Amino acid sequence: SSELAQPPSVSVSPGQTAIITCSGDKLGDKFASWYQQKSGQSPMLLIYQDNMSPSGIPGRFTGSNSGNTATLTINGTQALDEADYYCQAWDRSTVVFGGGTKLTVL
Amino acid sequence: QITLKESGPALVKPTQTLTLTCAFSGFSLYTNGLGVGWIRQPPGKALEWLALIHWNGDQRYSPSLKSRLTITSDKSKKEVVLTMTNMDPVDTATYFCAHSQVYYYGSETKSYFPFWGQGSRVTVSS
Repeated sequence: SSELAQPPSVSVSPGQTAIITCSGDKLGDKFASWYQQKSGQSPMLLIYQDNMSPSGIPGRFTGSNSGNTATLTINGTQALDEADYYCQAWDRSTVVFGGGTKLTVL
Repeated sequence: QITLKESGPALVKPTQTLTLTCAFSGFSLYTNGLGVGWIRQPPGKALEWLALIHWNGDQRYSPSLKSRLTITSDKSKKEVVLTMTNMDPVDTATYFCAHSQVYYYGSETKSYFPFWGQGSRVTVSS
């Protein structure tokens, strides 16, 4: 079982803000990354080191991390944002992924 | 342009050893701060990190699978190989290799995965 807990699913209406959380012990001290995986595709890096974005990632994707919770926020959610989202961090010198959150854009 | 591609058998029998190769281009494992990791995903399930090798030869393994995994690299050939022993049907998954970018947090080494291969589907069945 994952040591990073994510809600299994989140639903949002087009144009609204989607918030996906990732919880772990003292996660705010560990830096978090976020990946998007669309059906049948490989994961894609969205956010690294809590709030940094690789070039080419739309500005509507932002990240934050404090206390025990990292958060991925998608502003103005679009239908093409429907995907699985995974957080990732390091714990005790090894990599850990969250259990994933399925984002549905209704 | 960074690319990675996994190769290996699509089908292995229980108890056999799986060997997967990740061939990469666009970066070098001679470069300080880079690495290659392996991550798997059983059908319909979450990502699970397996192993990671850094430019300096440092190897990291999932604690739960450490006894079954070996990761090696051939820097000149630009390949990273993962072996997993004693395969079981529960190991059926898509296996991804990914480019790893290291950063430092105090004295700790951490990384994230900016680029991923397309994945190699492995079925374990007799």
